[in-house]
Amino acid sequence: AQTVTQSQPEMSVQEAETVTLSCTYDTSENNYYLFWYKQPPSRQMILVIRQEAYKQQNATENRFSVNFQKAAKSFSLKISDSQLGDTAMYFCAFMNSGYSTLTFGKGTMLLVSP
Amino acid sequence: NAGVTQTPKFQVLKTGQSMTLQCAQDMNHNSMYWYRQDPGMGLRLIYYSASEGTTDKGEVPNGYNVSRLNKREFSLRLESAAPSQTSVYFCASSGWGQDTEAFFGQGTRLTVV
Repeated sequence: AQTVTQSQPEMSVQEAETVTLSCTYDTSENNYYLFWYKQPPSRQMILVIRQEAYKQQNATENRFSVNFQKAAKSFSLKISDSQLGDTAMYFCAFMNSGYSTLTFGKGTMLLVSP
Repeated sequence: NAGVTQTPKFQVLKTGQSMTLQCAQDMNHNSMYWYRQDPGMGLRLIYYSASEGTTDKGEVPNGYNVSRLNKREFSLRLESAAPSQTSVYFCASSGWGQDTEAFFGQGTRLTVV
C-alpha cells in the first residue's frame, strides 16, 4: 500500500516570502501521479498542482512549483510571494497509474501573516 | 457546471440512527470515492468505486456501506451511527488519463450524539 508523509503539521510565513512544504511517499509503482490540494477555511478541496511521475520536468502553476525527486520519493511544494489568501491546510496526495485510489498525507497547516 | 454535488452539508444524528449521504457528479468520471476527514488524520478513504458496478473497501470501511447506483451517483450509508463516526465526509470523483485529477464535493459535517 502507498503511504504519504507530511512531516510539518504547521508552518508560518510572512506575506511576500517564500515557503516550502515537504512531502514524501512510498510506492513500488513506477508510473503514478502526485498532487497538492489546498483546503481553505471554507472546507473546499482545491487542486493546486499536479505532477506525472514519468515527466522529469517539475510542474509549475503561477506562484506554485514543485520539486519532484523520483529516486528520493520526495514531492515538495514551493509557494513564492506568499499571500494572505494562501492561508489553508495543504494536502499532498498520491494516485497510482491504475487509477484506483487517491492516498493523502495528514496535511500541513500554513499560516500567512501580514 | 456543477461538478460534484454532495448532500446534505450538515447533519446531526442520534446514536443508532441511520442515514445516507448522496453524491453525484456530472463529469462522466469513472472513479468515485468517499473520504472522512478528522483533525490531524488527513483524509482517509472509506470506500471507492473504480467504475460503474464495482466497489471496494478503503482504509476505514467499518460501519459504512456504499452503492454505486449508476455512473453518476455514489452513496454512503451509515446503518447505525456511532459517536466515532462524527466527522467531515467528502465525496470525490476522478477520470483517467488527462483527467487524472480528483474533484471534491463541499463536504458533509456529521455529528453523532
